[in-house]
Amino acid sequence: DTAVSQTPKYLVTQMGNDKSIKCEQNLGHDTMYWYKQDSKKFLKIMFSYNNKELIINETVPNRFSPKSPDKAHLNLHINSLELGDSAVYFCASSQLAGYEQYFGPGTRLTVT
Amino acid sequence: QQQVKQSPQSLIVQKGGISIINCAYENTAFDYFPWYQQFPGKGPALLIAIRPDVSEKKEGRFTISFNKSAKQFSLHIMDSQPGDSATYFCAARGSNYKLTFGKGTLLTVNP
Repeated sequence: DTAVSQTPKYLVTQMGNDKSIKCEQNLGHDTMYWYKQDSKKFLKIMFSYNNKELIINETVPNRFSPKSPDKAHLNLHINSLELGDSAVYFCASSQLAGYEQYFGPGTRLTVT
Repeated sequence: QQQVKQSPQSLIVQKGGISIINCAYENTAFDYFPWYQQFPGKGPALLIAIRPDVSEKKEGRFTISFNKSAKQFSLHIMDSQPGDSATYFCAARGSNYKLTFGKGTLLTVNP
């Protein structure tokens, strides 16, 4: 029974397109996150929601927009995709903000 | 500006040996220090974590040593096994809820 799931696992698309990544957690956690892992494996926080409220909003292009319809779901929408957006995007969740984060399997985004 | 510095970048250990990965930080407001293990193609998995009021925490073969005055913490893997081969990340939680990660250490345990 998957704790944090993401769809799709792989996403290949062309520059300029708009795409979304979905995340769901069944752990009953209050906080969810989006991370970006680049080709050098560096992990960087992008956004975090606590009970549907945005609590972390890092300096990312405004082409990236998170949406949390409820506390079990956090989606990431990316407009006008660029080559530099190619990375692995991880969703995570935790009960308390910042502590004991559980990561999803990742979505590998390739922009051509 | 990297707030958590991790070393070494890569580490090769023989089976049965001790693997040691080090991290240093500057921000004294950090209040929680986890280590994550990541296998290729998978998400990071929480391995072990420590709070700054404790100097050591052990879970099975994994131990965190924490030196608050030196602002350093380290992961020790005793009796390292080939199955431990993975990338390890240290991290630190700030007062703004954010986890700041180190750049990772690729551990290879040779049989």
